[in-house]
Amino acid sequence: EADIYQTPRYLVIGTGKKITLECSQTMGHDKMYWYQQDPGMELHLIHYSYGVNSTEKGDLSSESTVSRIRTEHFPLTLESARPSHTSQYLCASSPGQFYGYTFGSGTRLTVV
Amino acid sequence: GQQVMQIPQYQHVQEGEDFTTYCNSSTTLSNIQWYKQRPGGHPVFLIQLVKSGEVKKQKRLTFQFGEAKKNSSLHITATQTTDVGTYFCAERDSNYQLIWGAGTKLIIKP
Repeated sequence: EADIYQTPRYLVIGTGKKITLECSQTMGHDKMYWYQQDPGMELHLIHYSYGVNSTEKGDLSSESTVSRIRTEHFPLTLESARPSHTSQYLCASSPGQFYGYTFGSGTRLTVV
Repeated sequence: GQQVMQIPQYQHVQEGEDFTTYCNSSTTLSNIQWYKQRPGGHPVFLIQLVKSGEVKKQKRLTFQFGEAKKNSSLHITATQTTDVGTYFCAERDSNYQLIWGAGTKLIIKP
């Protein structure tokens, strides 16, 4: 079944640690996105990609990096976790610019 | 920059009452999308509206796109507990990225 998967589902990590959040989709979508969302609040775009070897920065990109080496895989790395990074991170994909997004179940990150 | 205003922030209703959320833009939109996010869940795409004055229905949900393509609404008739969640509208900016409204939280009164 075509879907989008995020791991881990929950993560508690200490300040200063480097972490990578995984996102994979089996739908063959070219466009992929990372969002940060506090519970019940609006979504903030962190990074996006239009395809392999294409990555662009969103509004909240300064403390993280992404890569897109394969169509199906779009990992997000926080170089040095801080308590202000505590949030939910949502990965999404889309087949094109005029289609809806399919979201993964998210990673709930807590930095202590 | 381009913004989408979504109101109200919260709406408390009795089960069986109707619910409406509105999105307004400062610019003419090419299209608008609507999503639903259940508590603790992730956004799920509901629909995309493209044409001026367009009205689309999904069971008890009615979606409208304004004649001037600057506003949109989502109306739920006779709310049920399964409708609880946050409803987001989203519009495309000049780079084709989605700009999200702040969401309207639908809360069913006990």
